[in-house]
Amino acid sequence: ETGVTQTPRHLVMGMTNKKSLKCEQHLGHNAMYWYKQSAKKPLELMFVYNFKEQTENNSVPSRFSPECPNSSHLFLHLHTLQPEDSALYLCASSQGTSARLLGYTFGSGTRLTVV
Amino acid sequence: GEDVEQSLFLSVREGDSSVINCTYTDSSSTYLYWYKQEPGAGLQLLTYIFSNMDMKQDQRLTVLLNKKDKHLSLRIADTQTGDSAIYFCAESTHDYKLSFGAGTTVTVRA
Repeated sequence: ETGVTQTPRHLVMGMTNKKSLKCEQHLGHNAMYWYKQSAKKPLELMFVYNFKEQTENNSVPSRFSPECPNSSHLFLHLHTLQPEDSALYLCASSQGTSARLLGYTFGSGTRLTVV
Repeated sequence: GEDVEQSLFLSVREGDSSVINCTYTDSSSTYLYWYKQEPGAGLQLLTYIFSNMDMKQDQRLTVLLNKKDKHLSLRIADTQTGDSAIYFCAESTHDYKLSFGAGTTVTVRA
């Protein structure tokens, strides 16, 4: 266990469904991130939250909606997704300015399949 | 801008050394990292190097940095089957942001 827990581990959803991914960290970190991992492509940074405030949105389509109710929890709400959104979604956290030295702590990811 | 490139695949015989290469474009990078991803898991920090260093050794791992050419490499000595994984190179130029490559899939054959 890394201290960053993601649920569910696997998710299959239809294009008209609404679902949510959850991430929880027990490390006392104040920054949290969503990344998308697709085969043979660099990890794509989607959203950054620092002290519950969104500080970055990398031109992510509105069918992905993040929510960060507190520094320990991060959600990614999904609706009307497309098959090309199928990927591994990774959550990470860091201790703010220590991110440079310690990098990020990642969860195990949610494998999403859109059918 | 930030752009990190790696070769996608590497096959190595058990017991040999593995060398994974990475190039980056942002000359203001201050920290560079290597992460490992095993099947079904997230990314795990393996090692990092400050941009004012040119080499760092940690047991079987050796990181070499050529800042002039913006080239980073990870050498794994005496590669074992447990080293089979995807290895990601990443650079950091801002407090809260890492940029990652596409990952190099290392396959260790007997």
